[in-house]
Amino acid sequence: SQQGEEDPQALSIQEGENATMNCSYKTSINNLQWYRQNSGRGLVHLILIRSNEREKHSGRLRVTLDTSKKSSSLLITASRAADTASYFCATSGTDSWGKLQFGAGTQVVVTP
Amino acid sequence: ETGVTQSPTHLIKTRGQQVTLRCSSQSGHNTVSWYQQALGQGPQFIFQYYREEENGRGNFPPRFSGLQFPNYSSELNVNALELDDSALYLCASSKTYNEQFFGPGTRLTVL
Repeated sequence: SQQGEEDPQALSIQEGENATMNCSYKTSINNLQWYRQNSGRGLVHLILIRSNEREKHSGRLRVTLDTSKKSSSLLITASRAADTASYFCATSGTDSWGKLQFGAGTQVVVTP
Repeated sequence: ETGVTQSPTHLIKTRGQQVTLRCSSQSGHNTVSWYQQALGQGPQFIFQYYREEENGRGNFPPRFSGLQFPNYSSELNVNALELDDSALYLCASSKTYNEQFFGPGTRLTVL
């Protein structure tokens, strides 16, 4: 079963717009990570946010974490065609740090 | 580039056969995890190895087995292949409690 659930399942935007996707999870976590995957290839690590953190930035990426609501969001600002990919959140539990549990992903298409 | 490599890139097997997939971890990483990703789904955790010992297993049958070697390279073995084993197999390496870095994956097709 999937721990994380991403929303929306698919997102289509134009270059320059912002893209926001959400992730909800069910059990207590140690950290939450966001990954990008291009066309069924390997996952690229984007950002890790620990359970005691509320917000983190990396370049054009902004991640928030609300442990009381068991949810996280990923914002990509000023999107580019190269951002077209599937985005996954993955949670690491408090008693199983190495076992990442993924959602089904958000498929993002950025058109020029 | 994550420094994690996997071989082979693609593999075609028939039902009932056995397969071995290989992964080379990033330098300095002591942990390797394996995931199965079916088409259109998120990766599912198979198992993890830490210092050559299995350190957690997901909901996969015993015909999925693994090894980690002293140089932190790793193998995933699958016996008695079934059609549903067709998937992208990903390995990820990490230092304890930190980010997991994934390889490019091995695409396995079972006919």
